Amino acid sequence: NAGVTQTPKFRILKIGQSMTLQCTQDMNHNYMYWYRQDPGMGLKLIYYSVGAGITDKGEVPNGYNVSRSTTEDFPLRLELAAPSQTSVYFCASSPPGGGQPQHFGDGTRLSIL
Amino acid sequence: GQQLNQSPQSMFIQEGEDVSMNCTSSSIFNTWLWYKQDPGEGPVLLIALYKAGELTSNGRLTAQFGITRKDSFLNISASIPSDVGIYFCAANSNSGYALNFGKGTSLLVTP
Repeated sequence: NAGVTQTPKFRILKIGQSMTLQCTQDMNHNYMYWYRQDPGMGLKLIYYSVGAGITDKGEVPNGYNVSRSTTEDFPLRLELAAPSQTSVYFCASSPPGGGQPQHFGDGTRLSIL
Repeated sequence: GQQLNQSPQSMFIQEGEDVSMNCTSSSIFNTWLWYKQDPGEGPVLLIALYKAGELTSNGRLTAQFGITRKDSFLNISASIPSDVGIYFCAANSNSGYALNFGKGTSLLVTP
């Protein structure tokens, strides 16, 4: 059972480039989330989704976009990469309902130069 | 998001010692969770707490949901080198879907 799988694991982008961070889960979880983790900080929510076709903004959504066409996949897109988006990005999923434990992928380490 | 104050920020201990860390907030929560993050990996759930006053163990780990619903602590007994990592508290109020995270406690254990 793979759980939550994120690709790529590492990426270096130039300022202004775009890319998509992939996330897929095989636990049939309705809810999925994207967080970013900066050094010495906790995780901050970027976007979340409560089901296919439904997405909503989290605490730090600016500069990102998401889509949810299937239950399994929840890609995160950076349209115009900026140095402030250098971070480690984590995707997570959970069963429906507030307060459910979230299961995390191993992260994508992204550097914008 | 609602702020969780996690302390201590870091701990450097010897193998065999017990460890205690806690999280406090000015807000009331209905769920408290404790995660551990190893270098280069995502957070892994250790313990989930759903009821005020609840005390739950997972091997050498014990966590409690504070009676005021504004705090939680995690204890690790008889630490071993593989306990090294960053421990995060997280909490949810059930009024939203997001977890609020503390900034983490970095634990180093020397043999």
